[in-house]
Amino acid sequence: GNSVTQMEGPVTLSEEAFLTINCTYTATGYPSLFWYVQYPGEGLQLLLKATKADDKGSNKGFEATYRKETTSFHLEKGSVQVSDSAVYFCALSNPLSGSARQLTFGSGTQLTVLP
Amino acid sequence: DSGVTQTPKHLITATGQRVTLRCSPRSGDLSVYWYQQSLDQGLQFLIQYYNGEERAKGNILERFSAQQFPDLHSELNLSSLELGDSALYFCASGGGASSYNEQFFGPGTRLTVL
Repeated sequence: GNSVTQMEGPVTLSEEAFLTINCTYTATGYPSLFWYVQYPGEGLQLLLKATKADDKGSNKGFEATYRKETTSFHLEKGSVQVSDSAVYFCALSNPLSGSARQLTFGSGTQLTVLP
Repeated sequence: DSGVTQTPKHLITATGQRVTLRCSPRSGDLSVYWYQQSLDQGLQFLIQYYNGEERAKGNILERFSAQQFPDLHSELNLSSLELGDSALYFCASGGGASSYNEQFFGPGTRLTVL
């Protein structure tokens, strides 16, 4: 089956520090990979995605590269801001599911950025 | 704003009761997905409907059911509620021409079972 393993949190960083949140996956075939962000009291927002090997997704200074050889999709940002404080979820959807593209999520990583 | 609406925002009820959660997808999206977020289970897929038909089932209890109506809104029915059903329930939509394999999440309904 499909599964996502995500770096345990919480992660606390100072403003302008470098961020890495590790994510690895298990899936048959070629899943699509996503990072979602959840701000306090809100729903999930898509942060970035990649649909094939070696694709790099990027948005708002965040990046993640789809690495099939290591089955990974680590999230990085060069300089975090206080406003980046949130919970980050790695997820996959598997096209082998046909049109049923439900998401399988990791456990989430709480990020707190201190001024 | 994702364009997905969910009502109610909060729901407080007692064990043994039944509740209905409602979701309206983004304009043009044909799929509705329901997810449950709880502290012990994390984010879990419950069920998906596509254009009125059930398309996939995840870890959905038999006490839970859902349907999608002709106008594409969806309802998730939770019955014989237990304390452990307290969670945040999200609806997501996708499957439209502008969705590009993405899902767009609503703000969620927080269910508290006392």
